[in-house]
Amino acid sequence: SYELTQPPSVSVSPGQTASITCSGDKLGDKYACWYQQKAGQSPVVVISQDNKRPSGIPERFSASNSGNTATLTITGTQAVDEADYYCQAWDSYTVIFGGGTKLTVL
Amino acid sequence: QVQLQEAGPGLVKPSQTLSLTCTVSGGSISSGTYYWNWVRQPAGKGLEWIGNFQITGTPNFNPSLKSRVTISVDRSKNQFSLKLTSVTAADTALYYCARAMPNYYGMDVWGQGTTVTVSS
Repeated sequence: SYELTQPPSVSVSPGQTASITCSGDKLGDKYACWYQQKAGQSPVVVISQDNKRPSGIPERFSASNSGNTATLTITGTQAVDEADYYCQAWDSYTVIFGGGTKLTVL
Repeated sequence: QVQLQEAGPGLVKPSQTLSLTCTVSGGSISSGTYYWNWVRQPAGKGLEWIGNFQITGTPNFNPSLKSRVTISVDRSKNQFSLKLTSVTAADTALYYCARAMPNYYGMDVWGQGTTVTVSS
């Protein structure tokens, strides 16, 4: 079965750039999206279709997907960005989630 | 604005069937080409997709759960449902329903989730 691998944790200082990776076999040939989940809340999609920001998502969120890796980048990270982040892709008609990355803003 | 609300028993005994419903408000479950999903999350762990359906198509399931999962829709109530049979403690989780846009746009609307505990 298809798997997506994320680092368990990433730390970043306020104002710096955070990068969270998501790896999977030929992931670049599939579409990926990213979700943010803050403590006690439901997930929110922050990136769709590899690199599109839904309405209301700040411009500091961007993403790319190529080869075996999709990357979520948060430029000028703020304290409010501290959350768990999940990548998600599709394998045929099934939905696959990565294991999630806890982003800590120190 | 579409909203989703999960409902169902918070406690299910081992070997029994877990049954949840998701009520869609602010829009019709029968309109558009959205995918309607079930996702779960054990406490302190990651998201696990259970399955989905498109109103005009056949359901899709997580292969690891497929043999135990049924997803159905009640258009008259604007609801869809999840049944998971032969539950064990490993099925204890927060269960979400979520709407996904077509063309790989991801799940844009989520319910608040409902906690299901499997215990005797």
